[in-house]
Amino acid sequence: QVQLVQSGAEVKKPGASVKVSCKASGYTFTGYYMHWVRQAPGQGLEWMGRINPNSGGTNYAQKFQGRVTMTRDTSISTAYMELSRLRSDDTAVYYCARGPPTTVTIDYWGQGTLVTVSS
Amino acid sequence: QSVLTQPPSVSAAPGQKVTISCSGSSSNIGNNYVSWYQQLPGTAPKLLIYENNKRPSGIPDRFSGSKSGTSATLGITGLQTGDEADYYCGTWDSSLEKVFGGGTKLTVL
Repeated sequence: QVQLVQSGAEVKKPGASVKVSCKASGYTFTGYYMHWVRQAPGQGLEWMGRINPNSGGTNYAQKFQGRVTMTRDTSISTAYMELSRLRSDDTAVYYCARGPPTTVTIDYWGQGTLVTVSS
Repeated sequence: QSVLTQPPSVSAAPGQKVTISCSGSSSNIGNNYVSWYQQLPGTAPKLLIYENNKRPSGIPDRFSGSKSGTSATLGITGLQTGDEADYYCGTWDSSLEKVFGGGTKLTVL
């Protein structure tokens, strides 16, 4: 069965960076996009971008351009999302989520990683 | 401010039917498939509907989706207390970004 297992919660200071990992299993890692979506406390879903694990190509949301970097390691079926220059309003649960190549949907989600930015 | 517009909340009694709307524009819903996600309290979202009206394996036929022009609708029949959750619509935008609605909280009275 498809599983996306994310790294644990993080606490960071403003200005720092955070790197969240997402290990995929149960399917061919390079055959599906990996999206990153975040959810601030009590708020809705916000798409950050996606990576094509096969080519390494990325699409980032305009809002995060210059601050986010998505990478992958195909040898261990793991995707990474690094967000830099953290601010307090970056406090959120960050999800990785699989996206089939032939449709714009997202079909499986990771369990989420809480990132808290506080001085 | 979300790109797609959903009502903040809807409610209905157990066994009844409810619909949740999602309004967009020609740059998103009007030219792309719509998906719907269910988020139970404290959990990750789950795909309910994709490509406007298709259900993934394991999703009961109490859940249905439709699209007309620049709007989409999620329907839930035979409401159960376990359906209490936040529901989000999502699609692709011409800006090459995935966009979501602000979410609708369903209360089963």
